[in-house]
Parts: sequence; structure tokens; C-alpha cells
Amino acid sequence: AQTVTQSQPEMSVQEAETVTLSCTYDTSENNYYLFWYKQPPSRQMILVIRQEAYKQQNATENRFSVNFQKAAKSFSLKISDSQLGDTAMYFCAFMKGRNAGNNRKLIWGLGTSLAVNP
Amino acid sequence: DGGITQSPKYLFRKEGQNVTLSCEQNLNHDAMYWYRQDPGQGLRLIYYSQIVNDFQKGDIAEGYSVSREKKESFPLTVTSAQKNPTAFYLCASSIDRGSSEQYFGPGTRLTVT
Repeated sequence: AQTVTQSQPEMSVQEAETVTLSCTYDTSENNYYLFWYKQPPSRQMILVIRQEAYKQQNATENRFSVNFQKAAKSFSLKISDSQLGDTAMYFCAFMKGRNAGNNRKLIWGLGTSLAVNP
Repeated sequence: DGGITQSPKYLFRKEGQNVTLSCEQNLNHDAMYWYRQDPGQGLRLIYYSQIVNDFQKGDIAEGYSVSREKKESFPLTVTSAQKNPTAFYLCASSIDRGSSEQYFGPGTRLTVT
């Protein structure tokens, strides 16, 4: 069975600095997707970034980038130039690839609470 | 604006009562999902639906029921059989069941006393 582990329950960073959130996962699949979701105090879940396992290039979305290490089963999120609005819970999630059929689901980590301090 | 709406934001019920949570989407997505979120835990899948008039149990379906009579709507009923119904409930949708990207509504906080 797939598992997702986020080893940092809480983190903090000063505004404008860079922070990296860790995520490791366990799977025997070769094709899969990895995600980072953000849940701000409003509690709406927002997709931050998505990585397809077959792509070696790390995904980037503006100030958000990932370090995807497939062999190590590691998928960290780097937030550059942190802003107060980045304060949120961040969840790492895993999903099998399309070749696994339609009966796939998101497997979630327990989240990392990030506080951006002024 | 396209999106997913859930109403109400906060819901209070007495123990022993059934309650229905609303989820509507205008994204023209085929697949819809219900998740439950408890403090200190990740999201857990309750039910999902790939297409109208079809739905499947997720990991924690006991005490819940759903219907999918319209593409746009996927209401969740929390029955009196659910032992610990107080939680935050999130609805999501995706283009189809094979799609990897899910989009979430704002959630409903249900408190049962």
C-alpha cells in the first residue's frame, strides 16, 4: 500500500525568506503523480503544484518549486520569497498513474503547518 | 465563475438526526468526491462518483450515504449511524475519474452535539 509521510508537523519562516517542506512516500508503482496542496485558514484546499513521476524535470509554479527525487522517493516543496499569504497547512499527496485504472485515489500526508512571520 | 460550492459553511445538528451536506459544481466535471478531515489526520475518502447515477464507497463510507442524480450535484447525508460525525467535510471534483487533478470546494464544518 502507498503511504505519504510529512515529517515536519510545524515550520516557520520569516517573510521574504525561503523554506523547504519535506515529503517522502512509499510505493511500488513506477507511474504516479505527486501533489502539494495548500489549506489556508479559510480551509479551502488549493492545488499548489503537481509532478508526474515520469518527468525528470522538477515542476515549478512561480515561487513554488519541487525537488523530486524518484529513487529516494522524496518530494519536497520549496517556497521562495515567502509571503504572509503563504501561511497555511501544506499537504503532500500521491496518486497512481492512469495505467492503474480509474479506481485510483489520492493518498494524503498529515500536513505541515507553515507560519510566515513578518 | 466556475467552481465548487458547498453550503452551509457551518452546520449544527443534534445527535440522532440525519443531515445532508450540499455540493454543487459548474465545472462540467464527471467525477465528484467527498472527503472527511479530522484534526491531525489527512483527508479520508468517504464516497466518490464517476458519472451520474453511479457512486462507489471510499475508505470510510459507513454511516454516510450519497446520491448523484445530476452531474452538477453530489449531496452527502450523514446518518445517525455515523458514530463520530463532527468533522470538516470537503467536496471535490475532477474532469473524470482518470484525471489526476481534483478541485475542492470551501468545505462544511459539521458539529453534532
